[in-house]
Amino acid sequence: RKEVEQDPGPFNVPEGATVAFNCTYSNSASQSFFWYRQDCRKEPKLLMSVYSSGNEDGRFTAQLNRASQYISLLIRDSKLSDSATYLCVVNLNTGFQKLVFGTGTRLLVSP
Amino acid sequence: NAGVTQTPKFQVLKTGQSMTLQCAQDMNHEYMSWYRQDPGMGLRLIHYSVGAGITDQGEVPNGYNVSRSTTEDFPLRLLSAAPSQTSVYFCASSDGQGFYGYTFGSGTRLTVV
Repeated sequence: RKEVEQDPGPFNVPEGATVAFNCTYSNSASQSFFWYRQDCRKEPKLLMSVYSSGNEDGRFTAQLNRASQYISLLIRDSKLSDSATYLCVVNLNTGFQKLVFGTGTRLLVSP
Repeated sequence: NAGVTQTPKFQVLKTGQSMTLQCAQDMNHEYMSWYRQDPGMGLRLIHYSVGAGITDQGEVPNGYNVSRSTTEDFPLRLLSAAPSQTSVYFCASSDGQGFYGYTFGSGTRLTVV
């Protein structure tokens, strides 16, 4: 079983739609969680950290469920510019910050 | 503030050649790492450093060497390039607290022929 699993997609949605991605992780000792965004042929960029209580940043909402070991990202009112690959990242923080990356979920927002 | 700078952006090597990928950060970050990204796979950790003079192996270290003589620089050396090392390489740094994730460089696209 992969340490971090994501549905690769692609998720094809029209502008204005709401879309949600889930990610599951296998190591219950994981300590911090992130969503990164990666545009085609570019570096990953931090989208948001995921807090235990859930957190929101504009149109983006992240949730963490430690009991079920999954993380979610909700994007409301999708924009064309949201088209990208979204990487789920788990930090095991075992002395060294070991970041484990999912393979990403691709989102395509169409007009 | 340049963040994390990687050079070169593109490189073609012949099998058996060696080269060094450069990485520099200007954020005074303690933690630096090298990842490779291949199609259908998540980023995989090659080597990492928790401070100047301290390095360790990651998930896929074979064929690569690193050193960390200064806080700013963390070069990755390919000892004898192989086609299996064709990949996109990312350098990343963090302040060591782990809470804010990593800042990545723009990547080096390496092709070994």
